[in-house]
Amino acid sequence: GAVVSQHPSWVICKSGTSVKIECRSLDFQATTMFWYRQFPKQSLMLMATSNEGSKATYEQGVEKDKFLINHASLTLSTLTVTSAHPEDSSFYICSASGDPEQYFGPGTRLTVT
Amino acid sequence: DAKTTQPPSMDCAEGRAANLPCNHSTISGNEYVYWYRQIHSQGPQYIIHGLKNNETNEMASLIITEDRKSSTLILPHATLRDTAVYYCIVRVGTNAGKSTFGDGTTLTVKP
Repeated sequence: GAVVSQHPSWVICKSGTSVKIECRSLDFQATTMFWYRQFPKQSLMLMATSNEGSKATYEQGVEKDKFLINHASLTLSTLTVTSAHPEDSSFYICSASGDPEQYFGPGTRLTVT
Repeated sequence: DAKTTQPPSMDCAEGRAANLPCNHSTISGNEYVYWYRQIHSQGPQYIIHGLKNNETNEMASLIITEDRKSSTLILPHATLRDTAVYYCIVRVGTNAGKSTFGDGTTLTVKP
């Protein structure tokens, strides 16, 4: 099946710094990608929908100025957590849609100290 | 997206069939039923999907009721590696269809 990769798989950063997470669809073109966040022992929560060549659509309660999303090509979407704080520590997962499947990346573990 | 309801947890003996139910009573005509599973600290893994007919692949079978208000995922011969959280999701089957995750069912396969 189709493969979605994420980089890095884990990252530790200091409070106040910014972190960029990459999501790539490896063998198909994805006009739409999705970003999720998952806290321990909780389900995945959709953060935003990333559309190639246009602005991302954020879910209610997600700060668009804090979580910057860029979908620059049909195979790459990036999520930048700006001015990270310890409460941003979480598991970030991206997905890319085919028709009709939706494929998920392996996730990125972010720890903010 | 339609809301789904799943039991929070289930146990299954190794080698036996695991039947995981899901209710989606408000599903729309253009929405598919998808099943994913998530093993600890990994991204969700696609299992199977269907619109209204029953489906089978190498991993599992999906049984959808005639009124499409509920479905059952069947793992025919559960192994210890099938222990995971299983999510039932309904979404439109297009590129723009987003998946909204509920709490899922934690399946524990016991030896």
